[in-house]
Amino acid sequence: QKEVEQNSGPLSVPEGAIASLNCTYSDRGSQSFFWYRQYSGKSPELIMSIYSNGDKEDGRFTAQLNKASQYVSLLIRDSQPSDSATYLCAAGGKLTFGQGTILTVHP
Amino acid sequence: NAGVTQTPKFQVLKTGQSMTLQCAQDMNHNSMYWYRQDPGMGLRLIYYSASEGTTDKGEVPNGYNVSRLNKREFSLRLESAAPSQTSVYFCASSEAPFLREQFFGPGTRLTVL
Repeated sequence: QKEVEQNSGPLSVPEGAIASLNCTYSDRGSQSFFWYRQYSGKSPELIMSIYSNGDKEDGRFTAQLNKASQYVSLLIRDSQPSDSATYLCAAGGKLTFGQGTILTVHP
Repeated sequence: NAGVTQTPKFQVLKTGQSMTLQCAQDMNHNSMYWYRQDPGMGLRLIYYSASEGTTDKGEVPNGYNVSRLNKREFSLRLESAAPSQTSVYFCASSEAPFLREQFFGPGTRLTVL
């Protein structure tokens, strides 16, 4: 089992819809959880960080963490074509990255 | 304020050649990292430096060496390049090791023939 696994993609949603990205992790001692966005040919950039159970909202983005279930998710409300990218989940003591989920938002 | 810079942007090597990838950050961060990214495999940690003067192996250190030259600079060396090292390499930095946001450089696309 991989240390960090993301829901298989690619994920395609219509403009204005909610995109839901999911991630599970195996290291129960994980304290920090991150979602990065990576456009094709570019470097990853941070979307959200979350450190405690519950929800954290930032504009159209909401990160949800459930340590008991070892699960972290990212919701993107009112999805825009500019949100089309690969989303990387990261967790664990040495910050292991998932394989990424490709999101496409179509007009 | 350039953030994290990497050189070169692109490089083609022949099997057995050596090269050094350079990375520098101007954010006064303590920790620096080298990752490689291959299609469908996310980012994998090669080496990291939690603070100036220390370096440690990550998930995939074989075939690489690193030097933390000072607080700003962290280099990655391939002593004898192999085709399996064809990848995109990212350098990153953060205030503290692994617990805080990492800022990434633009990447180096390396091809080993």
